[in-house]
Amino acid sequence: DAKTTQPPSMDCAEGRAANLPCNHSTISGNEYVYWYRQIHSQGPQYIIHGLKNNETNEMASLIITEDRKSSTLILPHATLRDTAVYYCIVRDPMEYGNKLVFGAGTILRVKS
Amino acid sequence: KAGVTQTPRYLIKTRGQQVTLSCSPISGHRSVSWYQQTPGQGLQFLFEYFSETQRNKGNFPGRFSGRQFSNSRSEMNVSTLELGDSALYLCASSWGLGSYEQYFGPGTRLTVT
Repeated sequence: DAKTTQPPSMDCAEGRAANLPCNHSTISGNEYVYWYRQIHSQGPQYIIHGLKNNETNEMASLIITEDRKSSTLILPHATLRDTAVYYCIVRDPMEYGNKLVFGAGTILRVKS
Repeated sequence: KAGVTQTPRYLIKTRGQQVTLSCSPISGHRSVSWYQQTPGQGLQFLFEYFSETQRNKGNFPGRFSGRQFSNSRSEMNVSTLELGDSALYLCASSWGLGSYEQYFGPGTRLTVT
């Protein structure tokens, strides 16, 4: 079973920041937080990952709370092409290898 | 750099038949994982291969099997197809075990009639 809880859907206006929350209250010390997204009819796409510190790359920022029980993925300037299902996943890469356990994710709809 | 390729992209089979799907990982990647995606169950892990060895297996019946070749290419096989096997089958590749990033292919859409 997935170890994360995400809202089923969210809307965002084009050009605005999209903030996608994720709860992972049972996360263990060795588990990382990963975000993937799946645009309709395509394979999932890796976005970002983090352990404790906030992370930023060219796609997004990941904010992890100090107690690590929740996190937020931020798309700074959402475009229509960011409409997708966003999955928050926690895993310990050393324990489970590359296995990803996907939950239902959050459907993000970016609207013009 | 070429991405993950999966063949065929679409396939229609009849109940009771068997099917083989192929996945070519990104050059240099040695780990390949397979997933099944259905509307009812979502994305579910099937198995993972690294250096031609199965490293991890999901909760699927023995009708689902796979293998990996010395060039890291992988195949998965489903025997005695059932209607419920209709799904999008996705392959993901990464450098090795415990990789942070995995790269998914476009998937093979299997329809069982």
